[in-house]
Amino acid sequence: GAGVSQSPSNKVTEKGKDVELRCDPISGHTALYWYRQSLGQGLEFLIYFQGNSAPDKSGLPSDRFSAERTGGSVSTLTIQRTQQEDSAVYLCASSKYREETQYFGPGTRLLVL
Amino acid sequence: EDKVVQSPLSLVVHEGDTVTLNCSYEVTNFRSLLWYKQEKKAPTFLFMLTSSGIEKKSGRLSSILDKKELFSILNITATQTGDSAVYLCAVEGSGTYKYIFGTGTRLKVLA
Repeated sequence: GAGVSQSPSNKVTEKGKDVELRCDPISGHTALYWYRQSLGQGLEFLIYFQGNSAPDKSGLPSDRFSAERTGGSVSTLTIQRTQQEDSAVYLCASSKYREETQYFGPGTRLLVL
Repeated sequence: EDKVVQSPLSLVVHEGDTVTLNCSYEVTNFRSLLWYKQEKKAPTFLFMLTSSGIEKKSGRLSSILDKKELFSILNITATQTGDSAVYLCAVEGSGTYKYIFGTGTRLKVLA
């Protein structure tokens, strides 16, 4: 009966390095969402998956960001050549279907030095 | 350009008061509007309002959507200190699969 889990919970990296953030949604949830929240800022939507496919990737901030989802379950958000402005809390949420309640994970706090 | 504006930016009330939070939007081909509550960590999903569901209620919280005037309100009655949080509104346009967020309303409920 676990909720949405994310790993790592915290990540410190050096500018220019690649990072990979993982999200394990609630079992059976077909919809998965990635958001980010910079310090003191509002929530920013990144990408939505229905099953393994993301119908619209235009919410990703730049081409350094990519996301995939496999087996209709785990999703990975990858940031290449990290920049300091990528520092934020990255949140993942899942829902049974798109128009139903979204359940959020605890987030991954990313700090790029 | 699509946008979501929330008001007020912040609000301080006393326990037992009723509050109304506003969210107005401009979006191409509106599909849905969502309300979230965020305390210290991850947000909690509150409501989704669509053309087929313009009014939602859960306990002391209720929300309505006015598609003609392009706004939604979130009402909280008999407020409690546990209602203190940032309330976020987001809107989705049809066919975009993206949510556009407002900056939120920070609510503080004093005992």
